[in-house]
Amino acid sequence: EDQVTQSPEALRLQEGESSSLNCSYTVSGLRGLFWYRQDPGKGPEFLFTLYSAGEEKEKERLKATLTKKESFLHITAPKPEDSATYLCAVQARGGATNKLIFGTGTLLAVQP
Amino acid sequence: DVKVTQSSRYLVKRTGEKVFLECVQDMDHENMFWYRQDPGLGLRLIYFSYDVKMKEKGDIPEGYSVSREKKERFSLILESASTNQTSMYLCASTTGDYSPLHFGNGTRLTVT
Repeated sequence: EDQVTQSPEALRLQEGESSSLNCSYTVSGLRGLFWYRQDPGKGPEFLFTLYSAGEEKEKERLKATLTKKESFLHITAPKPEDSATYLCAVQARGGATNKLIFGTGTLLAVQP
Repeated sequence: DVKVTQSSRYLVKRTGEKVFLECVQDMDHENMFWYRQDPGLGLRLIYFSYDVKMKEKGDIPEGYSVSREKKERFSLILESASTNQTSMYLCASTTGDYSPLHFGNGTRLTVT
């Protein structure tokens, strides 16, 4: 069964303290892996798509990487405005177009 | 920017009522989705549609139906609301390829 597991469930960082969020997946052929950011009371906002092992994407203080079993979202020198829930989702080959399987998210709190 | 608009941010309904959740997107996207989001369970797919008048069941369709009469509008219907349908409902849309989903800001439904 296709599955996505995110860890940790929650993470508290001091401003400037770099860290990584993990997304491990089990899927019958990966079509794509997506990272989203979700602020309280809002819908998820797209960050990155990764398609193959070894691929990396960057945006400001965020960098996403992908291996055959997991993805990491690295946060470098975070600021309080990076506080949010980060969601990972995978799309399996052979599945319905754009059907995503989501993890339960990592709640990140960055303290000033 | 893509805009996905959900008609209500908060909704309170009584058990047994018929409930309509409306979603409109302004980017001429073929695919539209309804998810529900619950703590500890993540986002789960209820229904999706890849064309007008077409619909496909997601992972948890029981107790729900959908309607897509126009390309830009996708409605979720709770035929007879129950307390276990209290949740955050998220609508999303995307083009017909492997593009990321664009989400609305959600409708928080409480069934009493």
